Amino acid sequence: EADIYQTPRYLVIGTGKKITLECSQTMGHDKMYWYQQDPGMELHLIHYSYGVNSTEKGDLSSESTVSRIRTEHFPLTLESARPSHTSQYLCASSGGRNIQYFGAGTRLSVL
Amino acid sequence: SQKIEQNSEALNIQEGKTATLTCNYTNYSPAYLQWYRQDPGRGPVFLLLIRENEKEKRKERLKVTFDTTLKQSLFHITASQPADSATYLCALGSSGGGADGLTFGKGTHLIIQP
Repeated sequence: EADIYQTPRYLVIGTGKKITLECSQTMGHDKMYWYQQDPGMELHLIHYSYGVNSTEKGDLSSESTVSRIRTEHFPLTLESARPSHTSQYLCASSGGRNIQYFGAGTRLSVL
Repeated sequence: SQKIEQNSEALNIQEGKTATLTCNYTNYSPAYLQWYRQDPGRGPVFLLLIRENEKEKRKERLKVTFDTTLKQSLFHITASQPADSATYLCALGSSGGGADGLTFGKGTHLIIQP
């Protein structure tokens, strides 16, 4: 069982609200990732980090932002949620073997 | 552009039989390939990794093959059980540079019938 946690598991929120999706891992991994996944579709990388104070955008353009102030914590923020942001957001971390460990995900619905 | 293809339709297999899932890719030269299992509403769970210079990897009832000439990987589950029912994702990775972020296929939904 991977030690990576995402909160909340489910979030229903109105348009225009600011939200932060939390992700924490206790494995001491330097690399962390955020993926977006729609039902029946593939995961798309939206952000990643090599370590503290390192953040990069992924392959899929996203209006969200991330920060990495501590090794174990990699939160994702949407300043103004829109219905197009409705999706599942998955956080992952990786050690030295390129294997990624995923959290359970946050299912976001923006009304 | 890079493309990963997995069986788009659900695969129904009788319990006890071997399930074989296919992953084909184009416009990509991966250094390694991984298979993950994803259950509904959950994040993917790592199963196996195979490198470009390896032909086959085994782990308990699981076997993965990797043919870089055909640009294909096959994932086998022997003596399949209903508990093996899930979506199985193929993911490609490159060595060096980037974030080592994986490129995932859409997955194949496997159903093991009792």
